[in-house]
Amino acid sequence: NAGVTQTPKFQVLKTGQSMTLQCAQDMNHEYMSWYRQDPGMGLRLIHYSVGAGITDQGEVPNGYNVSRSTTEDFPLRLLSAAPSQTSVYFCASSPLGANVLTFGAGSRLTVL
Amino acid sequence: SQQGEEDPQALSIQEGENATMNCSYKTSINNLQWYRQNSGRGLVHLILIRSNEREKHSGRLRVTLDTSKKSSSLLITASRAADTASYFCATAGGTSYGKLTFGQGTILTVHP
Repeated sequence: NAGVTQTPKFQVLKTGQSMTLQCAQDMNHEYMSWYRQDPGMGLRLIHYSVGAGITDQGEVPNGYNVSRSTTEDFPLRLLSAAPSQTSVYFCASSPLGANVLTFGAGSRLTVL
Repeated sequence: SQQGEEDPQALSIQEGENATMNCSYKTSINNLQWYRQNSGRGLVHLILIRSNEREKHSGRLRVTLDTSKKSSSLLITASRAADTASYFCATAGGTSYGKLTFGQGTILTVHP
């Protein structure tokens, strides 16, 4: 049972480049979400989804795009990377009806 | 804006001592949770306390919740070097899934 798997673990981008952070879970959780973690800021919610075909914005959605075509996958897209998006990104999931999150190991992104 | 604010920001103690971390939040909640993050890893759920509960125990962990003061505390008794980590409180509002708002965290260092 792998839980929540994020790839890549590390990525360096140049300003303006695009990329996708992958997130997959094998627990059949309906809810999936993306957080970013910055020093002194805790975790801030970017986007979330309560099921396939349903997504919504969190606290800091600008510059990010998501889609949810399957229950298992919830990719996060950066369309035109900016240095302000340098951060550690976490994907997390939970069943509907339960608030407890299971986190992935994180993806560290540096934008030069 | 962050829902939860934690103090202290950093705590350094000796093995065997107790560690207390506090969390304050701003709006009404369904439950409050504590998570632990080891360096370079994802967050792991520790304990959940519902809004109608005042105290909860799990092993060496004791959590209290005072909804009138909008505050919670996490007590780790008889701390061990392996407890060294960052600890985050997270609040859940009215949703039945894991849309949580996190505090900024407390960095706990336990010296052997």
